[in-house]
Amino acid sequence: AQSVTQPDIHITVSEGASLELRCNYSYGATPYLFWYVQSPGQGLQLLLKYFSGDTLVQGIKGFEAEFKRSQSSFNLRKPSVHWSDAAEYFCAVGRPNSGYALNFGKGTSLLVTP
Amino acid sequence: EPEVTQTPSHQVTQMGQEVILRCVPISNHLYFYWYRQILGQKVEFLVSFYNNEISEKSEIFDDQFSVERPDGSNFTLKIRSTKLEDSAMYFCASSDLAVYEQYFGPGTRLTVT
Repeated sequence: AQSVTQPDIHITVSEGASLELRCNYSYGATPYLFWYVQSPGQGLQLLLKYFSGDTLVQGIKGFEAEFKRSQSSFNLRKPSVHWSDAAEYFCAVGRPNSGYALNFGKGTSLLVTP
Repeated sequence: EPEVTQTPSHQVTQMGQEVILRCVPISNHLYFYWYRQILGQKVEFLVSFYNNEISEKSEIFDDQFSVERPDGSNFTLKIRSTKLEDSAMYFCASSDLAVYEQYFGPGTRLTVT
């Protein structure tokens, strides 16, 4: 069965430090991959997506993610974290030919310290 | 920038009552979705809707749930007889022909007492 795993429930980083949030998926083919961010009391905002092509994708707010087929991973990175990046981050997988439903991971809560 | 809107932001209802959650998708979008997030859990897909019919639904979306696009702008989720376990944040999303770019609304928090 398809699954999305975000191994880290909580991550704390210092402002200005680099960030990497992990995401692993289980799927029979290359899925469509997404990262969403949810700030407190807000909806889900799309940060970036991967469908095909270049495995390093750039998103909004200075985020990037790299698709690694051999590791079934799609980790999110940012070189220098800002306090405003504190939020919940969700990795999601879209299944082709499935009615376009997204399957979300459980999320990683990011805390940014001064 | 166009956005998905949802009303109400918070709905409190008694068990067994019917509720209707409303969404206004982005105007030129053709695909509509409902997801829910029980407190502390992940976001779960409920249903997708295209061309005035359901295109996919999850096992959560049983006979107690229904969706409708009553006019050219609204998209609704109805729960006929609410249960305590229906308490969750419900998100509406929409997308255009690039169907994987789903834009989410701010959510409706449903509390069933």
